[in-house]
Amino acid sequence: GNSVTQMEGPVTLSEEAFLTINCTYTATGYPSLFWYVQYPGEGLQLLLKATKADDKGSNKGFEATYRKETTSFHLEKGSVQVSDSAVYFCALLYSSASKIIFGSGTRLSIRP
Amino acid sequence: ETGVTQTPRHLVMGMTNKKSLKCEQHLGHNAMYWYKQSAKKPLELMFVYNFKEQTENNSVPSRFSPECPNSSHLFLHLHTLQPEDSALYLCASSQDGGPEDTQYFGPGTRLTVL
Repeated sequence: GNSVTQMEGPVTLSEEAFLTINCTYTATGYPSLFWYVQYPGEGLQLLLKATKADDKGSNKGFEATYRKETTSFHLEKGSVQVSDSAVYFCALLYSSASKIIFGSGTRLSIRP
Repeated sequence: ETGVTQTPRHLVMGMTNKKSLKCEQHLGHNAMYWYKQSAKKPLELMFVYNFKEQTENNSVPSRFSPECPNSSHLFLHLHTLQPEDSALYLCASSQDGGPEDTQYFGPGTRLTVL
């Protein structure tokens, strides 16, 4: 079946460090891929998305590239800030339905 | 107000109580969703409504009863809940529920069942 696997947290980094949060997926066909972010006390916000292979989604300094050959959509940021502390969810939406499948989330904490 | 709003933000209820969660979207969307977010578990889709019609019920127990009176409002009626139902309940909306849609989430209602 369709599923999303992302690295377990928590991930703790110092400010200005390089960030990678791994995400791999299993899906039939060609799903769209998403990263959502959930700041403390808030709902999920769409961070970026990619709808086909080799697409790169980017927003607020975050990037992720849709890699069909490795079925991955890793989230990266070159220099993290304290304000990036949140829970990050990788998700896929397969084309035959409107149902998004989410990963279990990765909590990120950035130290000043 | 803009976006997706949910009330109340926090709710504590006993197992014999009846309460309702409310979601309202101000985005002109036609599809609305209820999700359950439990600790250390992936988000679970509960219900999907498209143009006020329920199109998905993800094997949710009958103690959860959704209602969608119009495209802007979605309710989740709760009765005789169990402590394991304690979770963050998130509402979302999207343009028309299609595969290319982006879902926009509300802040959630933190539910505690005693």
